[in-house]
Amino acid sequence: KAGVTQTPRYLIKTRGQQVTLSCSPISGHRSVSWYQQTPGQGLQFLFEYFSETQRNKGNFPGRFSGRQFSNSRSEMNVSTLELGDSALYLCASSLAWQQNYEQYFGPGTRLTVT
Amino acid sequence: DAKTTQPTSMDCAEGRAANLPCNHSTISGNEYVYWYRQIHSQGPQYIIHGLKNNETNEMASLIITEDRKSSTLILPHATLRDTAVYYCIVRVAGGNQFYFGTGTSLTVIP
Repeated sequence: KAGVTQTPRYLIKTRGQQVTLSCSPISGHRSVSWYQQTPGQGLQFLFEYFSETQRNKGNFPGRFSGRQFSNSRSEMNVSTLELGDSALYLCASSLAWQQNYEQYFGPGTRLTVT
Repeated sequence: DAKTTQPTSMDCAEGRAANLPCNHSTISGNEYVYWYRQIHSQGPQYIIHGLKNNETNEMASLIITEDRKSSTLILPHATLRDTAVYYCIVRVAGGNQFYFGTGTSLTVIP
């Protein structure tokens, strides 16, 4: 069974631009969560989606948004990029929501903002 | 916010058991303890999780104290490929979000 895939793997953007990252969960998984990892703040929860609905959101500004499609694939968008948005963005998928299934992480998208 | 405390770093000799401690003194009755590891900025890899009983799988064992305020991850025979940052996470009830702490950087020494 294929794992979680994220595209693109690497991305370079300029301040003020916007970016869209994509995540395809493991087949059959319906919950997708997003995390940001930086050297200074570590791994931080962004948001999670289940059945095309955002279920929880971390403490990030409104420039960070996401959505989930009917096939469980998810995208996250960051608008008006800032230098501090440079990070590894990780997606994780799980079978369901509010149940103690393990989450499986993708390889991440490395975003560099210049 | 992370609800766990772990040592910043540990060393372990290759072939020996690696015992990684974690404190989670404010854990609630329905919150699970999860362990993940991350190797050099790859995505975190699931290791094991448990509620109150000890758990074992092909990768590791998880020992949770009776009062559930702490736990220990045991890698029975550490190899060089086990060198990684290990995260102990208390999963908040009601969702899938994980709040990661700073983790323990384990170095397996030849």
